[in-house]
Amino acid sequence: QKEVEQDPGPLSVPEGAIVSLNCTYSNSAFQYFMWYRQYSRKGPELLMYTYSSGNKEDGRFTAQVDKSSKYISLFIRDSQPSDSATYLCAMIRSGGYNKLIFGAGTRLAVHP
Amino acid sequence: NAGVTQTPKFQVLKTGQSMTLQCAQDMNHNSMYWYRQDPGMGLRLIYYSASEGTTDKGEVPNGYNVSRLNKREFSLRLESAAPSQTSVYFCASSEAGQGGGYTFGSGTRLTVV
Repeated sequence: QKEVEQDPGPLSVPEGAIVSLNCTYSNSAFQYFMWYRQYSRKGPELLMYTYSSGNKEDGRFTAQVDKSSKYISLFIRDSQPSDSATYLCAMIRSGGYNKLIFGAGTRLAVHP
Repeated sequence: NAGVTQTPKFQVLKTGQSMTLQCAQDMNHNSMYWYRQDPGMGLRLIYYSASEGTTDKGEVPNGYNVSRLNKREFSLRLESAAPSQTSVYFCASSEAGQGGGYTFGSGTRLTVV
């Protein structure tokens, strides 16, 4: 079993929809949680970063962490065609020397 | 701002050939990493260097070697390429202890035939 599970999709939504992306994990030692966005043929770029449980909002994006359920989410409001990309969750264990462990990534397509 | 620069961008190798992937960062980061990305597998850590002068194995180190040449540069070497090493390779860097905030390069697409 992988440490971090993420549904690969693809997920196709109409422009303006609310998108929910999720990951589950098995190791309770994970403390830092991130979402990366990766456009086709590009490197991943950091989108959201949260520490421990709670919510964090940045514009149209909201990241949620529920450590009791070992579950993290990324919500995208008013989705745009420019949001079409692969979204990767990633996390770091406490004392993990900053080593990111990634989910498989979910491919999102937002159509006009 | 260059960030993380990887060379080459594309490469085709024959089985058994060797090559070195180059990576350089200009952000004065202490830590550097090599990942490979395969369909449905996400990014998997090959090797990392927590600081200049140190290197450690990641999740999938077999068939690879690394060199942290100085604070800026971290290279990945394939001594005898195999078709299973066909992948997209990403280099990344971060400031140690930040708990995140990796900056990735644009990747090297490697095909081993």
